[in-house]
Amino acid sequence: SAVISQKPSRDICQRGTSLTIQCQVDSQVTMMFWYRQQPGQSLTLIATANQGSEATYESGFVIDKFPISRPNLTFSTLTVSNMSPEDSSIYLCSLTRGTYNEQFFGPGTRLTVL
Amino acid sequence: SQKIEQNSEALNIQEGKTATLTCNYTNYSPAYLQWYRQDPGRGPVFLLLIRENEKEKRKERLKVTFDTTLKQSLFHITASQPADSATYLCALDRPDNYGQNFVFGPGTRLSVLP
Repeated sequence: SAVISQKPSRDICQRGTSLTIQCQVDSQVTMMFWYRQQPGQSLTLIATANQGSEATYESGFVIDKFPISRPNLTFSTLTVSNMSPEDSSIYLCSLTRGTYNEQFFGPGTRLTVL
Repeated sequence: SQKIEQNSEALNIQEGKTATLTCNYTNYSPAYLQWYRQDPGRGPVFLLLIRENEKEKRKERLKVTFDTTLKQSLFHITASQPADSATYLCALDRPDNYGQNFVFGPGTRLSVLP
């Protein structure tokens, strides 16, 4: 298993502002992943965060909107920039462990943009 | 394009019956497939993984099958209980696998009625 914590657990933000979400894991991992889960939808991968290099973004997601930091092997942040109501979602960080990359998820950050 | 479908958005069954959830995929050749459980307001939790060369995998009351010819996985919960009520997600390993992570299906919301 894995222990993953996220901060904040939820927030309500105004349009045009930015929010940084923190993810802390219990042991060192090379890759961490950031997902978005919009209301009633499944998980969509935003980016893969590698320690010591730039994050790799999925199609439809850009660094200017979702800058990611990965300062060490147990921590990562995702910033949602210049927010609009369409960014209202749950944001989850995850890591993989085990031979077949079993994924472990943090509890999520529920973001509401007014 | 690649697509993952899960049989229905919601499934209601009576306690004690077997719940069967379906995951179908197109334009994929996954090496393995995972099933996750997600409760409201929580991140997904890993349940089972099955590899392409395995036909069936069991864990307590759970059984997963994987038919690479039909491009389908079935997820069974036997002797279902109200506590099994949750959303169940299937996930397939990405074709490029550079991130060593998975693509998730839309999920099926299971309700087990007492």
